[in-house]
Amino acid sequence: QVQLKESGPGLVKPSETLSLTCTVSGGSTSGYYWSWIRQTPGGSLEWIAYIYDSGRTDYNPSLKSRVTISVDTSKNQFSLKVSSVSATDTAVYYCARHHGSSWPNWGQGTLVTVTS
Amino acid sequence: DIQMTQSPSSLSASVGDRVTITCRASQSISNFLNWYQQKPGTAPKLLISDASTLQSGVPSRFSGSGSGTDFSLTISSVQPEDFATYYCQQHYRVAYTFGQGTKLEIK
Repeated sequence: QVQLKESGPGLVKPSETLSLTCTVSGGSTSGYYWSWIRQTPGGSLEWIAYIYDSGRTDYNPSLKSRVTISVDTSKNQFSLKVSSVSATDTAVYYCARHHGSSWPNWGQGTLVTVTS
Repeated sequence: DIQMTQSPSSLSASVGDRVTITCRASQSISNFLNWYQQKPGTAPKLLISDASTLQSGVPSRFSGSGSGTDFSLTISSVQPEDFATYYCQQHYRVAYTFGQGTKLEIK
């Protein structure tokens, strides 16, 4: 059974870059699509980006200018960077594995708070 | 972006009740619609994919229907463990988008 776990700083200062890593266990990153999704304190869910192990990516247009997703198949990890963060980027960030365009496998989520 | 609108935003029900949650897309999305259940402090759980395909391990009291712009999730007999928030999500086109959620509460 594949397991995913997010890691990264819980606090980020405004205008800085948020960096998160998702570590995959019980399976390989190869051959799958992987996404980052976030959930605001109010409960709204927002898809951020996906990546395929070949490096194919796609981004939410609302975030595309500030977001980078990458994968390291040798470490079984994929990562997210969001630049120039503000308070509106405060959210629980989830990583997830695709099955088609559904997400049956999710990490536990990690809360990132943007605060000075 | 394709906007997804759920109704109602919240719903009170008693154990054993039949409940239906609806989701409307701002344009036709064929059957590219998923339903998730989320309990406090946990990640969303995929219940139904492609409008009506029940995921393995999900109780048969859950069902989904619809196509085009109008979809529904029905719980035929609500159980105590079903009290949670439910989200629809379209995967017809990037950017994938979610409904705002429907909170199912105990009456």
